[in-house]
Amino acid sequence: DAGVTQSPTHLIKTRGQQVTLRCSPKSGHDTVSWYQQALGQGPQFIFQYYEEEERQRGNFPDRFSGHQFPNYSSELNVNALLLGDSALYLCASSLPRGPLHFGNGTRLTVT
Amino acid sequence: AQRVTQPEKLLSVFKGAPVELKCNYSYSGSPELFWYVQYSRQRLQLLLRHISRESIKGFTADLNKGETSFHLKKPFAQEEDSAMYYCALSEIIQGAQKLVFGQGTRLTINP
Repeated sequence: DAGVTQSPTHLIKTRGQQVTLRCSPKSGHDTVSWYQQALGQGPQFIFQYYEEEERQRGNFPDRFSGHQFPNYSSELNVNALLLGDSALYLCASSLPRGPLHFGNGTRLTVT
Repeated sequence: AQRVTQPEKLLSVFKGAPVELKCNYSYSGSPELFWYVQYSRQRLQLLLRHISRESIKGFTADLNKGETSFHLKKPFAQEEDSAMYYCALSEIIQGAQKLVFGQGTRLTINP
């Protein structure tokens, strides 16, 4: 079992551009959550997807959007990138109320 | 608002000494608390959860509702315990589980 896989591992974008990050959940998991981890901080909840719908959202602007596919994989999209969006983006999968299993993350740098 | 506080960003102890990582929380309901650990170059992983009352790698944590604390303890630290530790509180909103993380404590075990 490969666990949660995220791609790409690193990404550099320019301010104003758009980015898409991808996540494949651990086998058997149907719920995907996304977290943003700024340098020196703990992860912050962005949103959670279950049955292809956004179930809950943290305190992030509409520039952050997502999608879940029928195979439970997920994408995180960020539009109009700001310098402050530079962070490690973590995907976590689980059963609906089970413990979270995290991926290695995607390191996004906005210049 | 739900909040998790880890007052120590850095903690350094000698091998064989006891270690305690502090975690305080604020939550209006009945909390479910976790400790996550991130070893060097590895993904964030669950160390223990308070409802299971188990000891993992010699670590224990007791929920103290009176003091709103969930400190992580180990009687005899080992070098392989050096890692980043995050305390997290689970919040269920409309069926979706959201974790609120503290800022983390970097634990260094000196030989």
